[in-house]
Amino acid sequence: EDQVTQSPEALRLQEGESSSLNCSYTVSGLRGLFWYRQDPGKGPEFLFTLYSAGEEKEKERLKATLTKKESFLHITAPKPEDSATYLCAVNAGNNRKLIWGLGTSLAVNP
Amino acid sequence: GAGVSQSPSNKVTEKGKDVELRCDPISGHTALYWYRQRLGQGLEFLIYFQGNSAPDKSGLPSDRFSAERTGESVSTLTIQRTQQEDSAVYLCASSLQAGGPIDTQYFGPGTRLTVL
Repeated sequence: EDQVTQSPEALRLQEGESSSLNCSYTVSGLRGLFWYRQDPGKGPEFLFTLYSAGEEKEKERLKATLTKKESFLHITAPKPEDSATYLCAVNAGNNRKLIWGLGTSLAVNP
Repeated sequence: GAGVSQSPSNKVTEKGKDVELRCDPISGHTALYWYRQRLGQGLEFLIYFQGNSAPDKSGLPSDRFSAERTGESVSTLTIQRTQQEDSAVYLCASSLQAGGPIDTQYFGPGTRLTVL
């Protein structure tokens, strides 16, 4: 069964303290892995798409990487406004639906 | 440009009543998706539209749930005879096209449904 697991469930950082979030997946025929950010009471906001192992993408303080089994979202020198839930989703096989992890709730203290 | 919009933002209903949730996708996006997000759970795929047809309805939890899309634009998700377990945030997303590599889905703000 296709599965996406995110860790840790929750992470608390001090402003400027870099860290990484993990998304591991077991799917057949990965077509794409997506990272989203979700603020309370809002819909997920798109961050990155990764299509193949070895691919990396960056945006401001965030960098996403992909291997054949997992993806990392690296957060460099985070700020309080980076506080949110970060969601990972994959698309696999011959359909269009995304399979989602439960997310990592990140809190960055000033 | 305008993003995905959903209405209402909040809906409180009594058990057994029918509800309709509306989604307006980004203009020009041919694919439209509905997801459900229950408290403490991951997003759950419900249905996807390509144009006005629904090639994948596999996530609809029961025959109380139905959805339609008209004019390759607005979509309505209808839940009949609502139950308390239907309480969740219902999210709509759209993407530019459904052919070729999987493309990015852009989400609306969601409709929070509470069934009393």
